[in-house]
Amino acid sequence: GQQVMQIPQYQHVQEGEDFTTYCNSSTTLSNIQWYKQRPGGHPVFLIQLVKSGEVKKQKRLTFQFGEAKKNSSLHITATQTTDVGTYFCAGGGYQKVTFGIGTKLQVIP
Amino acid sequence: DTAVSQTPKYLVTQMGNDKSIKCEQNLGHDTMYWYKQDSKKFLKIMFSYNNKELIINETVPNRFSPKSPDKAHLNLHINSLELGDSAVYFCASSQRGIGYTEAFFGQGTRLTVV
Repeated sequence: GQQVMQIPQYQHVQEGEDFTTYCNSSTTLSNIQWYKQRPGGHPVFLIQLVKSGEVKKQKRLTFQFGEAKKNSSLHITATQTTDVGTYFCAGGGYQKVTFGIGTKLQVIP
Repeated sequence: DTAVSQTPKYLVTQMGNDKSIKCEQNLGHDTMYWYKQDSKKFLKIMFSYNNKELIINETVPNRFSPKSPDKAHLNLHINSLELGDSAVYFCASSQRGIGYTEAFFGQGTRLTVV
């Protein structure tokens, strides 16, 4: 079945440093979504990318979808303590997506 | 108003018991899901319903039975609970299939089987 790999699983950064998480699929994805889950919370949708090579920005967050639509990344510039949480990518078709294992981000003040 | 609400939030029960988790969404979405999140935070889809019809049924023991009385509700009944069923169960909904639009997740039900 569809596999979506995500690295790293854990990342500790000093506040103000940048952070990147990567998502890779063995097969071409129709789309990729990113979600954030705060500790003790539920996944919250951040963005969806559909087009090959697409780049989208949300304030300090930059999302990319690879040219081959097999990989994606989320980059956070100048992390803040409010960025703490687990970031999941989710990719696949239109009726079903497979979630990556998630990257747990800790921000040290 | 909570968009996707599930009850209860916490559930502690003994092995062998039967329990249900309820989910309701007030977003008018057509598709609803149950996800299981294990202790390592891995999110795995269990079931997906579209307009009350089952469209995805992953490899889940048949002790788990979803029921959708209408498109705003998707309940999960679990028979003969086992220790390995301990996890957080999330209900979610989306306007169409999850790949088309964002999914909204409920607050989760933390199930502990002792």
